[in-house]
Amino acid sequence: KNEVEQSPQNLTAQEGEFITINCSYSVGISALHWLQQHPGGGIVSLFMLSSGKKKHGRLIATINIQEKHSSLHITASHPRDSAVYICAVRRNEKLTFGTGTRLTIIP
Amino acid sequence: DSGVTQTPKHLITATGQRVTLRCSPRSGDLSVYWYQQSLDQGLQFLIQYYNGEERAKGNILERFSAQQFPDLHSELNLSSLELGDSALYFCASSVTGGSNEQFFGPGTRLTVL
Repeated sequence: KNEVEQSPQNLTAQEGEFITINCSYSVGISALHWLQQHPGGGIVSLFMLSSGKKKHGRLIATINIQEKHSSLHITASHPRDSAVYICAVRRNEKLTFGTGTRLTIIP
Repeated sequence: DSGVTQTPKHLITATGQRVTLRCSPRSGDLSVYWYQQSLDQGLQFLIQYYNGEERAKGNILERFSAQQFPDLHSELNLSSLELGDSALYFCASSVTGGSNEQFFGPGTRLTVL
């Protein structure tokens, strides 16, 4: 079993829908990162969380340390949100990555 | 633009060869991280340097080595290349390390033929 599990692996939705991507991990961590990787390959850091909730524009990330679970939500999704979303956990200076969720938003 | 630069953008080489990938961190960042993203293994942490010193090591092969120079740029050296080394190699930087946010460079796509 991977240390970091993401679900779903693939998600297709209509423009405007509310999107949720989940990340579960099995080890103690100091922080959790959400990353976005565009089709061209570039990686953008969206959030870094160690507790609670963070919001940036239409994106919201939450983490429950006791449950070892984090969610990334996108409100009013748009085709430009189409990308791979990757969860990564930090432990002892090292990041361990999930396999990513490929999100496709259809106009 | 994250402020992290990587060169070259693309690299095509043959098995058995040696290549050097270069990374310049954001201004003021002391930590540099190297990651490998391959189709079968996904993203993997290779190594971290902080202010010139190795800080953490991940799944880095013995054929690979890295260093961080006094001006804080870093190089990843890959030698005796194999087909399986074909991947995207990302560099990231952060202010110090620990639980600081990391900023990723655009990556170097290495193709070994």
